[in-house]
Amino acid sequence: QKEVEQDPGPLSVPEGAIVSLNCTYSNSAFQYFMWYRQYSRKGPELLMYTYSSGNKEDGRFTAQVDKSSKYISLFIRDSQPSDSATYLCAMSEGTGRRALTFGSGTRLQVQP
Amino acid sequence: DVKVTQSSRYLVKRTGEKVFLECVQDMDHENMFWYRQDPGLGLRLIYFSYDVKMKEKGDIPEGYSVSREKKERFSLILESASTNQTSMYLCASGRGASQAFFGQGTRLTVV
Repeated sequence: QKEVEQDPGPLSVPEGAIVSLNCTYSNSAFQYFMWYRQYSRKGPELLMYTYSSGNKEDGRFTAQVDKSSKYISLFIRDSQPSDSATYLCAMSEGTGRRALTFGSGTRLQVQP
Repeated sequence: DVKVTQSSRYLVKRTGEKVFLECVQDMDHENMFWYRQDPGLGLRLIYFSYDVKMKEKGDIPEGYSVSREKKERFSLILESASTNQTSMYLCASGRGASQAFFGQGTRLTVV
């Protein structure tokens, strides 16, 4: 079993829809949770960063962490064609090994 | 803005060649990372470095080595390239235990 599981998609939605992207994980020591957006043939760019449980909002994006269920989500409101990309979740324990563990990514297509 | 620059966007090398992938960051980050990205497998950590001349193996270090002689530069070396090392290689840098800012990636094809 992978340490971080993410549905690969593709997920296709119409413009304006609310998108929900999710990851589950098995390592209860993870404390830092991130979402990256990766356009085709580009490097990942950091979208959202959350520490421990709770919600964080930034414009049309909301990140949720539920540590009790080992489940994180990214919501995109009023989705736009420019949101079409692969979304990667990433996690870190914050101590010890200073590297992130990534999900395999969900490909999102927003249809105009 | 953080800038992580990888020396090449695309590379084609022959089997058995020694390949160098270079990465430079301009934010004085102590941590630097090399990942490879393959369809369906996501990003897998090859090596990382938390200080000059320091390195630690990631999840898939076999067939690779690294060099960090200066804080801003982290090199990935494929000692003898093989076709199963055809992949997208991503360099990242960060501060602390939860940061990673990525370069644009190098798409390496080994023929």
